[in-house]
Amino acid sequence: DGGITQSPKYLFRKEGQNVTLSCEQNLNHDAMYWYRQDPGQGLRLIYYSQIVNDFQKGDIAEGYSVSREKKESFPLTVTSAQKNPTAFYLCASSIAVLYNEQFFGPGTRLTVL
Amino acid sequence: AQKITQTQPGMFVQEKEAVTLDCTYDTSDPSYGLFWYKQPSSGEMIFLIYQGSYDQQNATEGRYSLNFQKARKSANLVISASQLGDSAMYFCAMREPNTGNQFYFGTGTSLTVIP
Repeated sequence: DGGITQSPKYLFRKEGQNVTLSCEQNLNHDAMYWYRQDPGQGLRLIYYSQIVNDFQKGDIAEGYSVSREKKESFPLTVTSAQKNPTAFYLCASSIAVLYNEQFFGPGTRLTVL
Repeated sequence: AQKITQTQPGMFVQEKEAVTLDCTYDTSDPSYGLFWYKQPSSGEMIFLIYQGSYDQQNATEGRYSLNFQKARKSANLVISASQLGDSAMYFCAMREPNTGNQFYFGTGTSLTVIP
């Protein structure tokens, strides 16, 4: 089955540690995205990538880093510089054409203790 | 300025009734796409319906329809015959080419269906 996988579903880390969230898709999509969602809030864009080896900052990129070495993979690293990293993180992908929706992964809930 | 505005933080509807969730958008680009997503308490984002800026007719998908009023820049979601399983957060989103095909999301509307 084609889709997007994110692992793990729940992640706990100590304050000051970097943590990497996995996102893999087998939909052959060019574009991939990372969003952060806080309780009761909408989605805020962290980073997005329209093609391999290229990515752009979103609205809240500070304290995060990404890589796009393969079309299928777009891992997100939450660094110790991110002040409030506890949140729900959603990865998405889409065809890089205007009239196509995003497909989302199941999300990773990160808690920093 | 907000690209997508959803002014209803919470809505209630009686089971089997219809409900309209409001969405207005802001763009100067003549080409854009409008999307609605449903997010149940499990957190997954489920795509519901799409409307293109050049589409002449309102989009429909089963019990979902999109009331597209281009001049008013609104794209309201209509859910007919509400079911208990419709209780969720609903997000309106827009995609436009002049910003690298980013998706812009509203803050969402929480819908509760009352038995």
